[in-house]
Parts: sequence; structure tokens; C-alpha cells
Amino acid sequence: QVQLVESGGGVVQPGRSLRLSCVVSGFTLSSFEMHWVRQAPGKGLEWLAIVSYNGNNAEYADTVKGRFTISRDNSENTLFLQMDSLKVEDSAVYYCARDMGYEGLDYWGQGTLVTVSS
Amino acid sequence: DIQLTQSPSFLSASVGDRVTITCRASQGISSDLAWYQQRPGKAPKLLIFGASTLQSGVPSRFSGSGSGTEFTLTISSLHSDDFATYYCQQVKTYPMTFGPGTTVDIK
Repeated sequence: QVQLVESGGGVVQPGRSLRLSCVVSGFTLSSFEMHWVRQAPGKGLEWLAIVSYNGNNAEYADTVKGRFTISRDNSENTLFLQMDSLKVEDSAVYYCARDMGYEGLDYWGQGTLVTVSS
Repeated sequence: DIQLTQSPSFLSASVGDRVTITCRASQGISSDLAWYQQRPGKAPKLLIFGASTLQSGVPSRFSGSGSGTEFTLTISSLHSDDFATYYCQQVKTYPMTFGPGTTVDIK
């Protein structure tokens, strides 16, 4: 069955970096575009980024553009989110999700918690 | 960017009630809208895509309608496990914004 498992979250100081990973199974990663979405504690969902099938193209939300980089390694069935210059307001649960062809996100991971605090 | 609003933000309902949630877009998005359900502590679950197409495995008591700028999610008869927060998302353009959510609570 389809599974997405995020990792890499933790506590980090403002201004530092963190890299999240999302290992997928049960489907061929190279056949799907992939997203990152986050949710601050007690808040709603915020779309962050999408990466194309081969990783050559990406789009970002303005709140993370220039600081976060989405990438993928299809041979390792893994999606990444490199987060630089972290801010307190980046504290959230981060989800990876599969795109079902510009119609919605049909499978989601369980999320990984990032806390940015001094 | 396309902004989405949802109404109401919160509603109290009873098992068996019919519930309708509205999502409005700041500009036309055709039928490029998805609905998700999120239970506390869990990842969102896709319910409806293309504004009105039920995702596989989702109970038929859920339905979606609308196009352009106004959309609705209807639960025809509320079940106990439907008490959750519901989000709309536009998938027309980037950024693929979500609505602020509607929490359905037990009356």
C-alpha cells in the first residue's frame, strides 16, 4: 500500500537549517509530482511547495521562497525539504503529500514536527 | 494569489444532521477545488476533487458542488466520525492555497 514517512524534524534555533525527508513506498515516485504542506500548532494548513516529476522544476509559497528548497531522489524514493534561515514562525508539523494530477493531494505522510526556538 | 474563505468557521451539529460548508475563491478557479477532512492529530484526508468527484473509498454521504468562485461541501447525514475540521484547497494556480478551515463539533 501507499506510504509516505517523514523524518528530520526536531528543535532548532532561529537562523539555523534543517532538512526534512519523506520516504515513499507502494508507488513509483518518479510518476508523481510531490508537495510539502505545513500546519502550525492550532492553525490551518499552509501549502509550501511542489516539485516536478524529475525535480527540475519547483514552485513555492511566498513565505518560504528563497529559504526553503524542495528536491527529490527518485532512485531512493525520497522527497526532501531543505529549510534554511529558519524563523520562529516556521514551527509546525510538516507533511509531504502526493499530487494526483493537479486535482488534489491524495496521500499524505503522518507529519514531522519542527520547532524553531532559541 | 487566490484567497479562499470558508463559512462558517465553526459549527455545532448532531449525528444525523445535514451539514453544508461553503468555500469562496477570490477569483474564478473553474472546478479546480479539493476538499479535505482532518481529524485531531491526524494528516488530512482527501474527500473530493474536481469540486464534485468523490475520492475512492469516501462515503457517499459526502458530496461537493460548485464552480467558479463558490463551492459547497455537504454531509447528508452526519456520522460520529465526521466530527473534524474540513479544508478546501484550490489547485488552479500556484500557490495552491487552502481555506482557513471549518470545524464541525458535536452539539
